[in-house]
Amino acid sequence: EDKVVQSPLSLVVHEGDTVTLNCSYEVTNFRSLLWYKQEKKAPTFLFMLTSSGIEKKSGRLSSILDKKELFSILNITATQTGDSAVYLCAVEPIQGAQKLVFGQGTRLTINP
Amino acid sequence: DVKVTQSSRYLVKRTGEKVFLECVQDMDHENMFWYRQDPGLGLRLIYFSYDVKMKEKGDIPEGYSVSREKKERFSLILESASTNQTSMYLCASSLSSDRGYEQYFGPGTRLTVT
Repeated sequence: EDKVVQSPLSLVVHEGDTVTLNCSYEVTNFRSLLWYKQEKKAPTFLFMLTSSGIEKKSGRLSSILDKKELFSILNITATQTGDSAVYLCAVEPIQGAQKLVFGQGTRLTINP
Repeated sequence: DVKVTQSSRYLVKRTGEKVFLECVQDMDHENMFWYRQDPGLGLRLIYFSYDVKMKEKGDIPEGYSVSREKKERFSLILESASTNQTSMYLCASSLSSDRGYEQYFGPGTRLTVT
């Protein structure tokens, strides 16, 4: 059974800190890995990763995929209170006909 | 911008009632999905549809059914609501693609069954 595990489940840091969120997966015939940010309502798309070792970057957020070790990390530098959210990792298995398998999410809280 | 809308943000129903949750997307996406989100469990796929009148079961279809009569609209039906169906329900849509894709989510419906 396909599985995605995120860690930690919850993280509280101070504004300005750097955080690393982890996502490991066991998926048959992996095609892509996606990161979403969920504040009070709809998850919003952050990154899609398909190739190992290539960093995707958007401002203070960056993510990288390791297809050999079956994990991805999401880094946020110089955190701000607006980064407080649940971060979701999802994997698309080729055989899943475009379904996504989600992890449990990491709840990140940034204190001023 | 892709817009996915859901008919209600909050809904309270009684045990045994029939419940309809509606989702509409305005970007001509082929694929539509219904998830439920519960603390500690993440998003779990209930049903999805890759074309009009087509549907496939997700990971937790029991107690639910769906309807897709038009491309832009995907309905989730709880035939006889139960308290264990109290949850946040999220609808999503996406294009079909050979290269991987992203799903666009609606704002969610928080359903409480009493």
